[in-house]
Amino acid sequence: QSVLTQPPSVSAAPGQKVTISCSGGSPNIGRNYVSWYRLLPGTAPKLLIYDDDKRPSGIPDRFSGSKSGTSATLGITGLQTGDEAEYYCGTWDTRLSVVVFGGGTKLTVL
Amino acid sequence: EVQLVQSGAEVKKPGESLRISCKGSGYTFTSYWITWVRQMPGKGLEWMGRIDPSDSYTTYSPSFQGHVTFSADESISTAYLQWSSLKASDTAMYYCATSQRYCSGGSCSVYNWFDPWGQGTLVTVSS
Repeated sequence: QSVLTQPPSVSAAPGQKVTISCSGGSPNIGRNYVSWYRLLPGTAPKLLIYDDDKRPSGIPDRFSGSKSGTSATLGITGLQTGDEAEYYCGTWDTRLSVVVFGGGTKLTVL
Repeated sequence: EVQLVQSGAEVKKPGESLRISCKGSGYTFTSYWITWVRQMPGKGLEWMGRIDPSDSYTTYSPSFQGHVTFSADESISTAYLQWSSLKASDTAMYYCATSQRYCSGGSCSVYNWFDPWGQGTLVTVSS
């Protein structure tokens, strides 16, 4: 059971927009920054968003992050087949004193 | 370009020991912490802990404390994750990743986001 809750899967058509939610509580998302990662089998995981809404250099502005209270959201616009992957949110949990991740969301681009 | 390259896949028997590696390049190895993350088959990511290569200070998740050991060799820009006695439940993909440090008001800490990551090392433990 993950501390952060993500939907197991989401899907959308090419060119459309999708959002992936990440729900937590006050010890984690409520008081610490959230980051988002993309995992593709056979490749190194990739940081997409850090500090809730910042994009690292090289990440296109199709990817966005937001946070409200104890929930965070990753948005992806202009979906491409290459976006098919698993996406994870993560943050520090002040009560547990560990980094916690969501259970992951598999994105399918139909 | 900052890069982490991990050692290759391993197949071991229960009770055996193992050390896997994570070699950094493109940056001063002691500038960033190294974090270790586990992904068991079909499961999500789990933070195992991290090591500061500048002084080998380690922080372990309670879930992994006592079962794994982190170490680092600054001279060859390499961090290690090791087990003294593997279990079948250690079968997983293991990733290393860098965490940047920051200092403010005379004290330093580490960011809790990870970039870049290594490509992962698959460890299979089976009799």
